[in-house]
Amino acid sequence: EDQVTQSPEALRLQEGESSSLNCSYTVSGLRGLFWYRQDPGKGPEFLFTLYSAGEEKEKERLKATLTKKESFLHITAPKPEDSATYLCAVLRNRDDKIIFGKGTRLHILP
Amino acid sequence: DAGVIQSPRHEVTEMGQEVTLRCKPISGHDYLFWYRQTMMRGLELLIYFNNNVPIDDSGMPEDRFSAKMPNASFSTLKIQPSEPRDSAVYFCASSPGLAGAPLYEQFFGPGTRLTVL
Repeated sequence: EDQVTQSPEALRLQEGESSSLNCSYTVSGLRGLFWYRQDPGKGPEFLFTLYSAGEEKEKERLKATLTKKESFLHITAPKPEDSATYLCAVLRNRDDKIIFGKGTRLHILP
Repeated sequence: DAGVIQSPRHEVTEMGQEVTLRCKPISGHDYLFWYRQTMMRGLELLIYFNNNVPIDDSGMPEDRFSAKMPNASFSTLKIQPSEPRDSAVYFCASSPGLAGAPLYEQFFGPGTRLTVL
């Protein structure tokens, strides 16, 4: 069964302490992998799309990378405003079905 | 643009009642999506439309759920009859469908928190 697993479920970091969030996936034919940010009480907000292994995308303190089995969201020198839930999703090639992971809740302490 | 608009923001109802959730997508977006989010199952795609036509409803849990898009600026998700297990946050999202990829970048609404007692 195709699935997306994100780890850790929750992460607490001090301001400035860099780390990475993991998204591992098993899918029969990957068309694309997405990262979204979700703040409490709000809908997800699009961050990145990655299409092939080796691809990287950057936005401010965030960098997303992709391999054939997983994606990482690297957060460099995070600030309290980076606190949110980060969602990973994959788009399956054969039927355009999108499958979301359950997310990683990130909390940055000032 | 005001973004994707959903109403109501909160809905509390009793088991067996009909519930209608509403969504206004971003003007000019050709794709509209309905999602459900729970702690147990995460975010699940229920159905999506392209130019007001339902394309994939394989995520709709059962016949109690139905969705319509009568025009480009309005969609509804109806649950009849509602059950306690339908309690969740329901999101609507729209997409411009860039490069022929409808799921490339989606813009989500604020969601409707549904509680069925």
